[in-house]
Amino acid sequence: GNSVTQMEGPVTLSEEAFLTINCTYTATGYPSLFWYVQYPGEGLQLLLKATKADDKGSNKGFEATYRKETTSFHLEKGSVQVSDSAVYFCALRREGAQKLVFGQGTRLTINP
Amino acid sequence: DTAVSQTPKYLVTQMGNDKSIKCEQNLGHDTMYWYKQDSKKFLKIMFSYNNKELIINETVPNRFSPKSPDKAHLNLHINSLELGDSAVYFCASSQGSGAPYEQYFGPGTRLTVT
Repeated sequence: GNSVTQMEGPVTLSEEAFLTINCTYTATGYPSLFWYVQYPGEGLQLLLKATKADDKGSNKGFEATYRKETTSFHLEKGSVQVSDSAVYFCALRREGAQKLVFGQGTRLTINP
Repeated sequence: DTAVSQTPKYLVTQMGNDKSIKCEQNLGHDTMYWYKQDSKKFLKIMFSYNNKELIINETVPNRFSPKSPDKAHLNLHINSLELGDSAVYFCASSQGSGAPYEQYFGPGTRLTVT
């Protein structure tokens, strides 16, 4: 079946550190891939997405590249801020399907 | 303007009660969803409606019954609440299916069953 696996959290970094949150997926065909962010007490917001192999999604300094060969969609940011503290979810949507399949979420805490 | 709204934001109730959570979207979308997020933050789809028709019904107890009076609303009714129903429930909507349409999420309803 379709599944998404994210790196175990929580992740704690200092401000201006480099961030990587790993995400790998299992799916048939060519799913679309997403990163969602959930700030404390809020709902999920789409952070970025990629719909085909080698696409790079980017937003707010975050980037992720759709790697078909390694079935990965790792999230990166060059210099994190305290305001980036949140839970990050990697997700996929299979071609032609409606539902999103989420990873387990990674809690990120940035210390000043 | 809030795109996807849910009421109530918090709901505390006792086992055995029946409760409803309401969801409304003003985006003109024709597909709406309910997701459940458990205490470990694991998020899983429960239902999906497209133009008021049930499209996705995951393995959810039949105590949970979604109702879509129109395209802009998808309510979730839960009968005979159990302790394990405690979770955050998120409503979402998207502009259709079959393509990577973005899903817009509501702020969530934290349900606590005591």
